[in-house]
Amino acid sequence: AQSVTQLGSHVSVSEGALVLLRCNYSSSVPPYLFWYVQYPNQGLQLLLKYTTGATLVKGINGFEAEFKKSETSFHLTKPSAHMSDAAEYFCAVSAGTSGTYKYIFGTGTRLKVLA
Amino acid sequence: DVKVTQSSRYLVKRTGEKVFLECVQDMDHENMFWYRQDPGLGLRLIYFSYDVKMKEKGDIPEGYSVSREKKERFSLILESASTNQTSMYLCASSLGGGGYGYTFGSGTRLTVV
Repeated sequence: AQSVTQLGSHVSVSEGALVLLRCNYSSSVPPYLFWYVQYPNQGLQLLLKYTTGATLVKGINGFEAEFKKSETSFHLTKPSAHMSDAAEYFCAVSAGTSGTYKYIFGTGTRLKVLA
Repeated sequence: DVKVTQSSRYLVKRTGEKVFLECVQDMDHENMFWYRQDPGLGLRLIYFSYDVKMKEKGDIPEGYSVSREKKERFSLILESASTNQTSMYLCASSLGGGGYGYTFGSGTRLTVV
């Protein structure tokens, strides 16, 4: 069965500092992996995704993530945090077989950016 | 711009009421999903649908039902609302296959009093 673990429910960084949000997954089949962002009182927005091919994936707003099969990880990074990055971030893995995909979400990491 | 629209942003209902949450997508997506979101628990899947008139239970279907009479519309029904169903409800849709990702609606924050 597929699962996702996000380490750290709250992360604080200073403006301009590196952002690192951790995600580890478990999957019995090659996974599709996703990061979503949620701003207050809004739905989730897709940041980036890994399906096949290049293991370093670039997304919107300067975020990127690297798929590391040996470590079963898909950590999200951004070189320099902005105040506007303050939000909740969710990692997700696909589960299911052809035609019946659904996603399993982690419990989320709330990012706080300090001035 | 593609959209998933949830009919209400905020709802307050009384215990025992029958509650309908509506979701409409304009992307011709096959798949539609209902999640609830609670602090510390992330998103939990209630029901999903891969085709018109088709539905499958997710991880927490108890106390809920769904209806999908048309491809673009997926309704979540709380048969008899209870206070433990107070939550944020998120609707999502996607194309078939696992690599496309979801498009989410803005959510409905339901309070049951």
